[in-house]
Amino acid sequence: SQTIHQWPATLVQPVGSPLSLECTVEGTSNPNLYWYRQAAGRGLQLLFYSVGIGQISSEVPQNLSASRPQDRQFILSSKKLLLSDSGFYLCAWSVAAGGIDTQYFGPGTRLTVL
Amino acid sequence: KQEVTQIPAALSVPEGENLVLNCSFTDSAIYNLQWFRQDPGKGLTSLLLIQSSQREQTSGRLNASLDKSSGRSTLYIAASQPGDSATYLCAFCRGSTLGRLYFGRGTQLTVWP
Repeated sequence: SQTIHQWPATLVQPVGSPLSLECTVEGTSNPNLYWYRQAAGRGLQLLFYSVGIGQISSEVPQNLSASRPQDRQFILSSKKLLLSDSGFYLCAWSVAAGGIDTQYFGPGTRLTVL
Repeated sequence: KQEVTQIPAALSVPEGENLVLNCSFTDSAIYNLQWFRQDPGKGLTSLLLIQSSQREQTSGRLNASLDKSSGRSTLYIAASQPGDSATYLCAFCRGSTLGRLYFGRGTQLTVWP
């Protein structure tokens, strides 16, 4: 069966510090991978998606970046965090492209920027 | 501009009631619509996925319907239980864009015993 992991589960960082959130998927090959952010009082916002190693598409301009160094690994990074980066970050994967299949979400990382 | 609207934002009911959660979307050219459940501080769990060619999907006590022409979907929960307490989110995929889901802000459901 497939599982998706995210770490850390919670993170408190000062403004201006770097960020690295990791997501890994087990039990499937060549998944489509996604990073979402859920800010307080707002819906989920797609940040990045990837169809393969090294292939990243950005949905929203921001000071965040994503990388996919391995088939089942997706990393969200920032060089300098802003207060507005606080939120709940969710990684997800799907088998099929084009949105024809359901997406499976990880447990999330709660990021607080102070 | 909010693409997906969910009403009500919050709902509190006694155990045993049948519930209807509403979702409306602005784009009639959707590819599919999904309903998710989110427990506090947790990730999302997919409940039902309705393709644009379908009218409804059922899973256990859950039934989701889709009316593309009116831009609406409803999630029906029969005989609600305290374990159903969670936030329910709907999301649609537009056309064939890669996995791009547009989410509503959710309905926070509390079922009390």
